[in-house]
Amino acid sequence: NAGVTQTPKFQVLKTGQSMTLQCAQDMNHEYMSWYRQDPGMGLRLIHYSVGAGITDQGEVPNGYNVSRSTTEDFPLRLLSAAPSQTSVYFCASSYSTADTQYFGPGTRLTVL
Amino acid sequence: RKEVEQDPGPFNVPEGATVAFNCTYSNSASQSFFWYRQDCRKEPKLLMSVYSSGNEDGRFTAQLNRASQYISLLIRDSKLSDSATYLCVVNIGTGGADGLTFGKGTHLIIQP
Repeated sequence: NAGVTQTPKFQVLKTGQSMTLQCAQDMNHEYMSWYRQDPGMGLRLIHYSVGAGITDQGEVPNGYNVSRSTTEDFPLRLLSAAPSQTSVYFCASSYSTADTQYFGPGTRLTVL
Repeated sequence: RKEVEQDPGPFNVPEGATVAFNCTYSNSASQSFFWYRQDCRKEPKLLMSVYSSGNEDGRFTAQLNRASQYISLLIRDSKLSDSATYLCVVNIGTGGADGLTFGKGTHLIIQP
C-alpha cells in the first residue's frame, strides 16, 4: 500500500513550457485534490475531484488543468508555465472531506 | 478573506514544557476540524481530529469552542521531535475539497 505518490519530486521549467504532474493513490479514495504551498500563503486549492469523471475548480485554478479518468489517478497539467507557478505542489486524497486527507510527498517546481 | 487564522509564531519552547496554541475560524457553519503536522519540506500529516467533546491522544489535547469559534491544541511534556508547523483545518461541509480551509500554520520550535 503506497498511499499517495507524486512524480516528479523536483522539476525545473522554462517560461512557456508545459508539463504534467502525476498523482496516484491506491486507497480507492473518491476524493482527490491538488494544492500549492507558497511561503506565507499556506495551502491553496487548485482543482479537486469527488470521483472519476468529475472535477471542479478551487481557489487558484488559472493556468492549470486536471482530468480524472480513473479513481486512482489525478494528473495536474501546467499549460504554459510562468514564474508565478514556482511552488510546492501537493496532491491529496481521502474518503471524504470529513476524513483524513492523505498527502503525497510533493513536487517542488521552479519556473525560470 | 481570512477564514482560518493562526498565530504563525515561531513559538520557542524549552523541552519538557507545555505549549498551547489556538486557531480561530470565521464560518459558524463549520462542521469538522483537524490539526495537521507538517515537518520542514515534507507533506502535511493528520495529527488529530477535533471533536465537540474534545479529545486527547497521549501528550496532545485538542478542544473545540463553537461559541467563540476556535480550536486549540495543547502539547504537554514537549519533545524535540515535536518541532514542526501545526496546521489548523476547518471543513464547512460542501462535500468537496473546496469546503476545506487550511490555516497558514503555527511554527513550533522545541529547544533543548
